Amino acid sequence: NAGVTQTPKFQVLKTGQSMTLQCAQDMNHNSMYWYRQDPGMGLRLIYYSASEGTTDKGEVPNGYNVSRLNKREFSLRLESAAPSQTSVYFCAGAAGYEQYFGPGTRLTVT
Amino acid sequence: DQQVKQNSPSLSVQEGRISILNCDYTNSMFDYFLWYKKYPAEGPTFLISISSIKDKNEDGRFTVFLNKSAKHLSLHIVPSQPGDSAVYFCAASESNFGNEKLTFGTGTRLTIIP
Repeated sequence: NAGVTQTPKFQVLKTGQSMTLQCAQDMNHNSMYWYRQDPGMGLRLIYYSASEGTTDKGEVPNGYNVSRLNKREFSLRLESAAPSQTSVYFCAGAAGYEQYFGPGTRLTVT
Repeated sequence: DQQVKQNSPSLSVQEGRISILNCDYTNSMFDYFLWYKKYPAEGPTFLISISSIKDKNEDGRFTVFLNKSAKHLSLHIVPSQPGDSAVYFCAASESNFGNEKLTFGTGTRLTIIP
């Protein structure tokens, strides 16, 4: 039982490149979330999915897209990376209020 | 507009003493509050929570207090141990029929001094 897994752990992109961050959970959670964490900013919600087939914008959605492929998987895509997207990205799953986080992806955009 | 505020970026406490971490919120619709602990290079882990119908919740060394009139909550850790050194995030949510979202504070870095 791995909980919430994220790949890759680290990634360096050049400005304008695209990539997809993968997230999977084996906790049978209906809801899944993507956050970014920046110094002094706490965790900010990018997108979330309340159930399979639905997605909604969070606080900072610009520059990102998401796909809820099935109940287990929720991916985050950067179509054209920008230096402002340098951050640590966390995926989480939840059944109710309590969210359970993956280990994070550290992304650097140069 | 920061709806959840942790005004102390850092706190140092002697091992064995009590650690008190504070959190303030502005949104009166919040009805559930959580504390998360985060070690470097790891994801946040859920620590303890409290519903707005309560004013205290205890779990071992960790107690969360909620003062709704002041829109303030605090996390007490007693006795503090070196393994408690981490960043602590306060989070709040309002009921949304199974579609709850969390709003996080900016975190407080707790250092336990041996």
